[in-house]
Amino acid sequence: NAGVTQTPKFQVLKTGQSMTLQCAQDMNHEYMSWYRQDPGMGLRLIHYSVGAGITDQGEVPNGYNVSRSTTEDFPLRLLSAAPSQTSVYFCAARQLYGYTFGSGTRLTVV
Amino acid sequence: AQSVTQLDSHVSVSEGTPVLLRCNYSSSYSPSLFWYVQHPNKGLQLLLKYTSAATLVKGINGFEAEFKKSETSFHLTKPSAHMSDAAEYFCVVSGTSGTYKYIFGTGTRLKVLA
Repeated sequence: NAGVTQTPKFQVLKTGQSMTLQCAQDMNHEYMSWYRQDPGMGLRLIHYSVGAGITDQGEVPNGYNVSRSTTEDFPLRLLSAAPSQTSVYFCAARQLYGYTFGSGTRLTVV
Repeated sequence: AQSVTQLDSHVSVSEGTPVLLRCNYSSSYSPSLFWYVQHPNKGLQLLLKYTSAATLVKGINGFEAEFKKSETSFHLTKPSAHMSDAAEYFCVVSGTSGTYKYIFGTGTRLKVLA
């Protein structure tokens, strides 16, 4: 039982490139979310999903897209990477009274 | 609107002495509150949670927290610090009822001195 799996663990992008951060969960949880973590700012919600086919914006959605075609997968897309998107990204799936977080993706945009 | 404030960005304690990490919250209704720990270059691990049951909540690794409604606080404590407790700790309040959004504090980095 892997919980929440994120890939890749590390990525370097050039400004303007696109990429998709993958997130998969094997716990059959309906609610999933993406956060970014920046020094001194805690974690901020980018997008979330309450089930397959349903997504919504969080606190800092600009520059990111998501989709939820299955319960298991919740990918995060950067359409045109910017240096301001350099961060550590966490995917999470909600269980009863708490979240399970993935191990994170450290993204650097140069 | 809900919010959470962690009062100290850095805390240093000596090994074997008590730990106190402070968290105040703001919520228009009875909140769910959590403490998470993040060790260097790792993901987040749930330490404990308060969900309107007992006000004193016991978590993993000897940590506990007390929900005080009158003070809108949810401070994290441990009687005796261990070197392995060195990490960043996040206080979290659940978002608007039904949305399950988490609102994170900015974190407290705990340093344990030998």
